[in-house]
Amino acid sequence: LAKTTQPISMDSYEGQEVNITCSHNNIATNDYITWYQQFPSQGPRFIIQGYKTKVTNEVASLFIPADRKSSTLSLPRVSLSDTAVYYCLVGDDDYKLSFGAGTTVTVRA
Amino acid sequence: DAGVTQSPTHLIKTRGQQVTLRCSPKSGHDTVSWYQQALGQGPQFIFQYYEEEERQRGNFPDRFSGHQFPNYSSELNVNALLLGDSALYLCASSRSTYEQYFGPGTRLTVT
Repeated sequence: LAKTTQPISMDSYEGQEVNITCSHNNIATNDYITWYQQFPSQGPRFIIQGYKTKVTNEVASLFIPADRKSSTLSLPRVSLSDTAVYYCLVGDDDYKLSFGAGTTVTVRA
Repeated sequence: DAGVTQSPTHLIKTRGQQVTLRCSPKSGHDTVSWYQQALGQGPQFIFQYYEEEERQRGNFPDRFSGHQFPNYSSELNVNALLLGDSALYLCASSRSTYEQYFGPGTRLTVT
């Protein structure tokens, strides 16, 4: 499984856009990039998944450059409720998810 | 539609004891995975059950075992508990896709 590197923490303010970049230099051809969100004392929640270029849903956007060695999760106009840990996962294995330490995003008023 | 449910919510056990955690998957899901999440770390994959059989296993000792029932619900059993087994145990269900739905977890404390 490709290893991922993402910042340990990020701070932001309400209404700002938050961009979290994940590095995955050893990503394989069949690997997808998936992001999960986790609030304290809850299980992780699927946010978005992509393979290349850009993917957008009602919650976030995922930008993937042509070489796919990194990806950026973009959270538009964050609110206090977006304070959580965000995990970047890379793999093609439907069977198991490999989580790293994640990025703790703190949104302040 | 109920999501993934887990029981109990919290549990306190003593070293050497055995524990059983339970999980009911989201309606329509046939695959159940178990994860262990230590404080301040990401979830670590324990194993996955599909069609009542263990399909894949992570790097966990044999003290960790599981079962899936015909109604797709699942149990996680841990024998000979160690202090290091204290963690949040998460169950996730899916229909064999990469999008897994997680339950709220069971907080296990071993003293």
